[in-house]
Amino acid sequence: GESVGLHLPTLSVQEGDNSIINCAYSNSASDYFIWYKQESGKGPQFIIDIRSNMDKRQGQRVTVLLNKTVKHLSLQIAATQPGDSAVYFCAENKDSNYQLIWGAGTKLIIKP
Amino acid sequence: SQTIHQWPATLVQPVGSPLSLECTVEGTSNPNLYWYRQAAGRGLQLLFYSVGIGQISSEVPQNLSASRPQDRQFILSSKKLLLSDSGFYLCAWGGGVKTQYFGPGTRLLVL
Repeated sequence: GESVGLHLPTLSVQEGDNSIINCAYSNSASDYFIWYKQESGKGPQFIIDIRSNMDKRQGQRVTVLLNKTVKHLSLQIAATQPGDSAVYFCAENKDSNYQLIWGAGTKLIIKP
Repeated sequence: SQTIHQWPATLVQPVGSPLSLECTVEGTSNPNLYWYRQAAGRGLQLLFYSVGIGQISSEVPQNLSASRPQDRQFILSSKKLLLSDSGFYLCAWGGGVKTQYFGPGTRLLVL
């Protein structure tokens, strides 16, 4: 995908503040979106998903917002903790295709 | 519950040597299986995916090949490694929904 060769953008957040990580997706026909968290040296871990018939979904300390008008996806993490330090990837899927289209990733750094 | 295993965790190989990385999934049947590569500080590049035994789709031309000899086993191979094959190799599985679940990865360094 196009994101493979890009260096990761970085977001620095104070511990205890809320974090907002943004993602612009590419295909208006995509109907399913996922956020993953990847800690250093580990495989990506599923955080939360959302279908295109929704505009908001909440999990434990995380909320995903979907704006189909501008093809924008965001992940909000409440009361950011040191353990939230990781790279966060968004991914989208279209129709019955079993491949995911991956975003470039955002590195989240927590300041003490 | 489903689990996915990859081994080895790390591997250092000389240029020109062969490669075999293995991935196995437990707790599910007929999963879709995927191999990704990730360069340091970069995103995920899909290399191969498989929807069934013996069915392999390749996403990028390269020095690697994949095989699926059993329903829950996915193997990534190379006959002769290149320096550019270094990276973090991730195996993932997907079921009826579109979410993919990843293994712990294999870090490959080709010298």
